[in-house]
Order: sequence, then structure tokens, then C-alpha cells
Amino acid sequence: SQTIHQWPATLVQPVGSPLSLECTVEGTSNPNLYWYRQAAGRGLQLLFYSVGIGQISSEVPQNLSASRPQDRQFILSSKKLLLSDSGFYLCAWSVQDDQPQHFGDGTRLSIL
Amino acid sequence: GENVEQHPSTLSVQEGDSAVIKCTYSDSASNYFPWYKQELGKRPQLIIDIRSNVGEKKDQRIAVTLNKTAKHFSLHITETQPEDSAVYFCAAGKFYFGSGTKLNVKP
Repeated sequence: SQTIHQWPATLVQPVGSPLSLECTVEGTSNPNLYWYRQAAGRGLQLLFYSVGIGQISSEVPQNLSASRPQDRQFILSSKKLLLSDSGFYLCAWSVQDDQPQHFGDGTRLSIL
Repeated sequence: GENVEQHPSTLSVQEGDSAVIKCTYSDSASNYFPWYKQELGKRPQLIIDIRSNVGEKKDQRIAVTLNKTAKHFSLHITETQPEDSAVYFCAAGKFYFGSGTKLNVKP
């Protein structure tokens, strides 16, 4: 069966520090991969979307970036975190467009 | 891109009553409409979905209806139970989500 792993579960970082969140999927090949941010009490905002290795689409301009170095690995990064980057970050995968998305457990990021 | 609006933002019902959550979308090309349930501090999980070639789909106490002409779809939960309390999200298209509805089922 397919599983998705996301880590760390929680992270506290100072303003201006770098960020690296990792997500891996097991049990499937060539999945669509997604990074979302969820502010407290709000909906899911798509940050990045990938249909294959090295193929990244960004929905919202920001100081974050994403990379897909391997088929089932998706990384969210920042060189310098802002206070506004605080939130709950979720990674997800799907078989293809217009199919159910399966979410990781999320990373709660607090910026001090 | 797609724009998905969801109402209400909060909904409180008595155990055993029905709950209805409504969503509208803007892109007539969208043809996949999932609903996710997110319990506090946990990951969203798919509870039901519907495609544009179907007007209604039911799974036990949960049903979803779709009106493609009006571009709206709804989630119906009957005989609500306290464990139904959670935030529910609709979605349309590839990755456009509504803002969520916090459902509280009072025992």
C-alpha cells in the first residue's frame, strides 16, 4: 500500500533562518506531488505542484521554493524565513490530476 | 484559475440532525469534486468525491450532490454523530480548496 511521510512534525525557527521540509511517498511511481500551507482556521493554499522529477509549478509568489530531486521526494525550502511563513504545511500526493489527494501528517512551523 | 467558495464557515447541529455544506466554483471545465474531513491537528482525509458525469453519490450517511449548470455542489450528512465534528473542505479542479466549514455536533 502507499504511504506518505512528512517531517519534521513541528519546527520552531528564528526569522531569517533557512528551512527544509521533506516529504517522501512509498508504494507508487510517478505521483503528482503537492505542497500546501494552512493558516490557523483557514483553508488549504497550494504552494507548489509537481508532475515529475524536476518539474515544479508555483501557484503563489513567495520566498519559498520546492524541488523534486527524486520521483517520490518533494522538498520545500526557504533561504530566509519570514514571520508570515508560520503555519501548518501539508504535503500530498495523487495518482494523477482529478484523483483523490493523500496527505501527510503535516509540519507545524512557528517563526519567532 | 479556479475559485471555490464554501458556506457556512461554522455549523452547529444537534446529534441526529442533518448537516449541509455548500460550495460554488467558477471554472466550468472542472470535473472532479472531492470532500475532505480534517480533525483537529490531523491530516485532511477524503470522505467522498463526485465527478461531473454524476449528479449525486451516496455513501452510508454521507451524500454529495452536483449541479454543473449552476456550478455548485453540496455535502449532506444525515443522522449526525459527535464524531462527525471536524472541519470539512470541498475542492474543485486540480487543487483548489474551499475555506472550510467547522462542524460541531452537540450530544
